[in-house]
Amino acid sequence: GENVEQHPSTLSVQEGDSAVIKCTYSDSASNYFPWYKQELGKGPQLIIDIRSNVGEKKDQRIAVTLNKTAKHFSLHITETQPEDSAVYFCAASGRNTGFQKLVFGTGTRLLVSP
Amino acid sequence: EPEVTQTPSHQVTQMGQEVILRCVPISNHLYFYWYRQILGQKVEFLVSFYNNEISEKSEIFDDQFSVERPDGSNFTLKIRSTKLEDSAMYFCASSAPGRGIDEQYFGPGTRLTVT
Repeated sequence: GENVEQHPSTLSVQEGDSAVIKCTYSDSASNYFPWYKQELGKGPQLIIDIRSNVGEKKDQRIAVTLNKTAKHFSLHITETQPEDSAVYFCAASGRNTGFQKLVFGTGTRLLVSP
Repeated sequence: EPEVTQTPSHQVTQMGQEVILRCVPISNHLYFYWYRQILGQKVEFLVSFYNNEISEKSEIFDDQFSVERPDGSNFTLKIRSTKLEDSAMYFCASSAPGRGIDEQYFGPGTRLTVT
């Protein structure tokens, strides 16, 4: 089945810097790649997603890129702010995984210092 | 903004007891899911549910687990006889029909502690 790897496990940046989190997936049939932000004591919050027919998607300070050939996708956060501090999860789903089953990465704890 | 709600936020139970975790999905959503997250580990898929039946389930979702939509608003996960290893955060999620089916929105979770 699908396997999603995520790096790094922790990331510390200064406010205003950029942060990049990377994920790789194993199943070439996966076609949907969401990113979730989880703050302490809360459930995962969908922040951005990308489908396999698109290479890049942007929403204000966050962007996601997808390289289907290499089977990896990345989350980019620019001009980081302390409120960006959270755990970020990537996920994948597709025909072989089961369209409605998200397979998650292990998470990245992002700490943005003022 | 509509959101998924879950109750209780924390449930403590003894091994062998039955527990029911409750969720109210977003009102126009038709697809419902349960995931769990053991402390420090990945979020794992348990089951998806549509049109009053299970669409998919994982190998974790064995005979001890069941799901139900008892009325037009609630979606429940029942664990018949809890084990210590069932201790985890349980998240309910829902998604809309059509183009929104992929976009799963999660509730805040129920922390289940089995002693």
